[in-house]
Amino acid sequence: DAMVIQNPRYQVTQFGKPVTLSCSQTLNHNVMYWYQQKSSQAPKLLFHYYDKDFNNEADTPDNFQSRRPNTSFCFLDIRSPGLGDAAMYLCATSRGLAGTGGNEQFFGPGTRLTVL
Amino acid sequence: AQTVTQSQPEMSVQEAETVTLSCTYDTSENNYYLFWYKQPPSRQMILVIRQEAYKQQNATENRFSVNFQKAAKSFSLKISDSQLGDTAMYFCAFRPGSGGSNYKLTFGKGTLLTVNP
Repeated sequence: DAMVIQNPRYQVTQFGKPVTLSCSQTLNHNVMYWYQQKSSQAPKLLFHYYDKDFNNEADTPDNFQSRRPNTSFCFLDIRSPGLGDAAMYLCATSRGLAGTGGNEQFFGPGTRLTVL
Repeated sequence: AQTVTQSQPEMSVQEAETVTLSCTYDTSENNYYLFWYKQPPSRQMILVIRQEAYKQQNATENRFSVNFQKAAKSFSLKISDSQLGDTAMYFCAFRPGSGGSNYKLTFGKGTLLTVNP
């Protein structure tokens, strides 16, 4: 089945130690998104890639970076994790950006990040 | 900017009964899309149902249906014949139909629904 895969599902890192979260997709979608979801809160969009074009949300901290080496993979890099960065990180994909039908976002299962 | 409000942080329902989850939104857009997403415990978020603002007919997907009131900016989700597997966090979400941010989903804070046996 076509899907969005996130690895690892659980990640523990130390305060200030860089960490990378991975997302892959078999849907061949053009757009990949990264969301941060803190406990009992709504997902918050960090950034997205349309093909190779990177789009950062205005309020995303510089501590968060992303890479998309090819269509299938996208990485979230947290350069110096703080305690406030502990959250679930969701990856999503969509075929396109436009608000027309067929561009719904498909979500992965998420990676839960713990910062010690 | 758009806002999405879910006024019920938690709800519960007995198996086989019907429950309605509320959602209101605020926007100046005329063309937009509304969604209900389901996030079961420790599992991925999936799309339950989708409504296009220019369609007057309420969307339905099997046991799930919406009551879309455009003038009132209300978009409630009705789950009929509730099943234990419906236990999840439900998020209402809004997306503009056009403009530079038409990819962006704005989520409500969610309603945690528990279906009791």
